[in-house]
Amino acid sequence: LAKTTQPISMDSYEGQEVNITCSHNNIATNDYITWYQQFPSQGPRFIIQGYKTKVTNEVASLFIPADRKSSTLSLPRVSLSDTAVYYCLVGVTDKLIFGTGTRLQVFP
Amino acid sequence: KAGVTQTPRYLIKTRGQQVTLSCSPISGHRSVSWYQQTPGQGLQFLFEYFSETQRNKGNFPGRFSGRQFSNSRSEMNVSTLELGDSALYLCASSLGSRGGNTIYFGEGSWLTVV
Repeated sequence: LAKTTQPISMDSYEGQEVNITCSHNNIATNDYITWYQQFPSQGPRFIIQGYKTKVTNEVASLFIPADRKSSTLSLPRVSLSDTAVYYCLVGVTDKLIFGTGTRLQVFP
Repeated sequence: KAGVTQTPRYLIKTRGQQVTLSCSPISGHRSVSWYQQTPGQGLQFLFEYFSETQRNKGNFPGRFSGRQFSNSRSEMNVSTLELGDSALYLCASSLGSRGGNTIYFGEGSWLTVV
């Protein structure tokens, strides 16, 4: 059974860098890795997507090792508004599998 | 550009009834996928449609079905509702199927089965 696992929760303080890792042992060869942010009662919001190595946009960086069996979402200088649940999404064979989700709590 | 639109946002149904949820993808997107989110099971993939054809299906019973129309709009149907079907149902769309096509989500339809 394909498993895509993440830490259940993480705590941080404003201004710190946060790294959230997702393990996806059975990722499909041609599929990308996508990360989402979700607030209560809302749909997941796209953060970043990548296939290999490192991708950076205006809000986050994504690090993917050569074997692609894991990925790390990096949020620089988090703020209180970054408090949310973060999910990775990967393709495994013919299915799309969400990670178990990481609840990030940012403190002032 | 309008995002993914789901209707209705909230609904309450009785056990044994059936329900149809609707999804309008982002303009130009041809792939639509559906997901179920519950506190216990997290986010689970239901199925994906591309150009009116079901491409992939998750591990859900046959009571869960869907379809996609020629304008890419999609509906999902759940028959013979059970209490455990209470969940947030999310629709997502992308330009193409899988690969590097970014998937964008709607706000979801909250279904409560009583």
